[in-house]
Amino acid sequence: QQQVKQSPQSLIVQKGGISIINCAYENTAFDYFPWYQQFPGKGPALLIAIRPDVSEKKEGRFTISFNKSAKQFSLHIMDSQPGDSATYFCAASPTGTASKLTFGTGTRLQVTL
Amino acid sequence: GAVVSQHPSWVICKSGTSVKIECRSLDFQATTMFWYRQFPKQSLMLMATSNEGSKATYEQGVEKDKFLINHASLTLSTLTVTSAHPEDSSFYICSAWTGLGYGYTFGSGTRLTVV
Repeated sequence: QQQVKQSPQSLIVQKGGISIINCAYENTAFDYFPWYQQFPGKGPALLIAIRPDVSEKKEGRFTISFNKSAKQFSLHIMDSQPGDSATYFCAASPTGTASKLTFGTGTRLQVTL
Repeated sequence: GAVVSQHPSWVICKSGTSVKIECRSLDFQATTMFWYRQFPKQSLMLMATSNEGSKATYEQGVEKDKFLINHASLTLSTLTVTSAHPEDSSFYICSAWTGLGYGYTFGSGTRLTVV
C-alpha cells in the first residue's frame, strides 16, 4: 500500500514534443504529490507539487494532472528541450513535517534534437 | 531559499575506515532530516529519519551500528558510515522538510567510494 508505481521507465522525446510520465498510488493517506528532477551526480530538485484539492497545476512548461478517484497523477512537460534530459521521480507523502516521502521508480527522459 | 548544503560531494576511503557526511540547512530550521541511499539507475531508498535531539529511526534492513546518524542541532545532521566496505559504495543524499512552500529539499548528494 506504500508503493508509488511510475511509468514509463524510460522515455525518448523529440525537441519540442510533450513528455508524459505517469504515477499511481494506493495509500489514501497520501495528500502531497511532488515531482523531482535529478541530473547525474546531483540530488533531486523539486519541480512542481500538487495536493488533492486541485486537479491540475501548471508552472511554466510543467503541468501536474491529478485524478483523485483513480489515484493517479502525471507530469506533462510541454515543448521538451534537450536540457530537460534527466531522471524524473514522482513521490507522495501524507501531510506532516516528519512524514516520509515514498518515491516512484524513476523515468529517464532523453530529449533528442 | 530552503537550501540544504551537503558535504563532501565525493569521498574515497579505504576499507575499514569511517566516513562522515554532513548536511546543513542554511536558511531554515530542519526539525526532521531524512537520509537516502541511491544505487546507479535506481530510485532513492530511505535509510533513516532523524529528529533534532533524539535518536534516529532506521528503516527495516538498515544497520544502525554501521550508519550512525546524529542530529544535534536544528541546522546540522550527520551520517557516519563506520568500518566502510566496498558494498557501502553508493550515492548518499539528505533531505529536510522546509514547509509547504518548498516541500522537501534535498542536498546535492555524496558519492562514496570504498576501495
